[in-house]
Amino acid sequence: DQQVKQNSPSLSVQEGRISILNCDYTNSMFDYFLWYKKYPAEGPTFLISISSIKDKNEDGRFTVFLNKSAKHLSLHIVPSQPGDSAVYFCAASAEGSGGSNYKLTFGKGTLLTVNP
Amino acid sequence: ETGVTQSPTHLIKTRGQQVTLRCSSQSGHNTVSWYQQALGQGPQFIFQYYREEENGRGNFPPRFSGLQFPNYSSELNVNALELDDSALYLCASSGLAGLSSYNEQFFGPGTRLTVL
Repeated sequence: DQQVKQNSPSLSVQEGRISILNCDYTNSMFDYFLWYKKYPAEGPTFLISISSIKDKNEDGRFTVFLNKSAKHLSLHIVPSQPGDSAVYFCAASAEGSGGSNYKLTFGKGTLLTVNP
Repeated sequence: ETGVTQSPTHLIKTRGQQVTLRCSSQSGHNTVSWYQQALGQGPQFIFQYYREEENGRGNFPPRFSGLQFPNYSSELNVNALELDDSALYLCASSGLAGLSSYNEQFFGPGTRLTVL
């Protein structure tokens, strides 16, 4: 049972345009959400996160939106650049017993290609 | 500030053998998590170590075990290797409990394990 779903395996956009990556989750206990970017032969790199008490978080060209009622979040990249081409993972965590278990549950990733 | 490092980079083993993977956490981080990433999948949580004790475990059999040392570095041990253990093994470190950034895990480049 996949608790974090990224239903688009790939996305292609033109340089300068907006990239929108989507993520859905099923576990209502998730209270923190993160986006990671991964290049081949490297580990995932943290991009941006959002707590469930917020509906938007912005950091430069990256904005994450959270819709708790729909159990949906999205990552917006504006403007998109060729260097943004990578696999993007959505991840979620829930405060475990004792408040100390912050394991991340990942989606399968979306390959973003930004064309010059 | 030193990031998360892992060794070795690549490893080839045969079925039934045992393997030890190593991870040095980012400076100031006291929690280490291990993930397995199979081809085409997102990272899957194996377990987490906090203050040298296991602090949560994913759906992995007991032949996956780990250690954390006083300097917060960690080892992942896998016994009786199976073909399906072939994957990228990622180590991630995170900071002190109680801080807003606690859920943000920072990944190393991974160890690519091939089981023949």
